[in-house]
Amino acid sequence: DTGVSQDPRHKITKRGQNVTFRCDPISEHNRLYWYRQTLGQGPEFLTYFQNEAQLEKSRLLSDRFSAERPKGSFSTLEIQRTEQGDSAMYLCASSLAPTSEYNEQFFGPGTRLTVL
Amino acid sequence: AQSVSQHNHHVILSEAASLELGCNYSYGGTVNLFWYVQYPGQHLQLLLKYFSGDPLVKGIKGFEAEFIKSKFSFNLRKPSVQWSDTAEYFCAVNARGGNKLTFGTGTQLKVEL
Repeated sequence: DTGVSQDPRHKITKRGQNVTFRCDPISEHNRLYWYRQTLGQGPEFLTYFQNEAQLEKSRLLSDRFSAERPKGSFSTLEIQRTEQGDSAMYLCASSLAPTSEYNEQFFGPGTRLTVL
Repeated sequence: AQSVSQHNHHVILSEAASLELGCNYSYGGTVNLFWYVQYPGQHLQLLLKYFSGDPLVKGIKGFEAEFIKSKFSFNLRKPSVQWSDTAEYFCAVNARGGNKLTFGTGTQLKVEL
């Protein structure tokens, strides 16, 4: 399978614990995005990387959230001191930085986080 | 900042009925427009996209969408739906040259036999 993969697919944790999610983009894609989706809503942008550089962060990304892409390949999203409001589906997407202005993003299956 | 509105949150149709899902966006500049579909238990998949040129774009599985710039709309259509079209449909926009996608809240489509 050459699509975007995410691990784990499901995570249940207790409030106050730290969690880390991993995303592996499509191999030749140099842009990687994180989104969050809550019930009844569309995905909301959190942050994106071009290669290893984190170039944009949403104000939704509180200080408890940190994302890395150390070698410009896979990325991790860590949430510290989880809260019940963090319960959501966390989606990763990747794209190839276009030579033109177009930017088509391919999504992974997501990690569903439940905070008890 | 851009925003996207999807007017229908839940749609129920019988097989062979025609489908039109509304999408309006708000943004002052040039945009790229997308429809994504999420089948039950599957991840988001691109259904079709508009970047430029012919405002009537055709996607997979017989879907099409029309970009009407004056109305800031990008409605999704299919002449005859099938049971297998049961899914959630998301309209999304990004600013030309931009990075993040802004999604609507989605439309849950149920097609009954």
